Amino acid sequence: DAKTTQPPSMDCAEGRAANLPCNHSTISGNEYVYWYRQIHSQGPQYIIHGLKNNETNEMASLIITEDRKSSTLILPHATLRDTAVYYCIVRVATSGNTPLVFGKGTRLSVIA
Amino acid sequence: AAGVIQSPRHLIKEKRETATLKCYPIPRHDTVYWYQQGPGQDPQFLISFYEKMQSDKGSIPDRFSAQQFSDYHSELNMSSLELGDSALYFCASSLRGSQGRQPQHFGDGTRLSIL
Repeated sequence: DAKTTQPPSMDCAEGRAANLPCNHSTISGNEYVYWYRQIHSQGPQYIIHGLKNNETNEMASLIITEDRKSSTLILPHATLRDTAVYYCIVRVATSGNTPLVFGKGTRLSVIA
Repeated sequence: AAGVIQSPRHLIKEKRETATLKCYPIPRHDTVYWYQQGPGQDPQFLISFYEKMQSDKGSIPDRFSAQQFSDYHSELNMSSLELGDSALYFCASSLRGSQGRQPQHFGDGTRLSIL
């Protein structure tokens, strides 16, 4: 079962920042937080991941609270093409590569 | 940059037939994962391979089998197809790395329809 809780849907005005929250209160010390998105039945697209420090790349920023029990994905300037289902995934990181366990995700609608 | 290639993109089969889905990972990726996404559902992990050996097993039916070949490509073989097997099948690949740092990258999927 997924170890994360996300709101089922959110709206965001085009050009504004989209802030997508995720709760993972049972996260373990060796688990990463990953974010993926899926645009209308395309393959899930990797966005960003982090362990405990905030992370930023060309797509988004990831803010992880100090107690690691929640995080926020920030799309700084949302466009219509960012409309998608966003998945927050906690991934066991003991050794090697482990599969992703997808929860329900947040359906983000960017509105013109 | 090269991505994960899946074939075919679309496949139509009838009940009780067999199907083979193929996945070609990103060059130098050594781990392959298969996921199934039913209509209106979220992706569910089926099975994964590392260096031609099964790595993890999820909710893969006994009617399905998969393997990874020496060139790292993978095939998902499905037999005795049922209506409920109609779904999107995604393949993902990654580099094996310590402590789960290596993200998985997904292909565009195969849409399987069972008539």
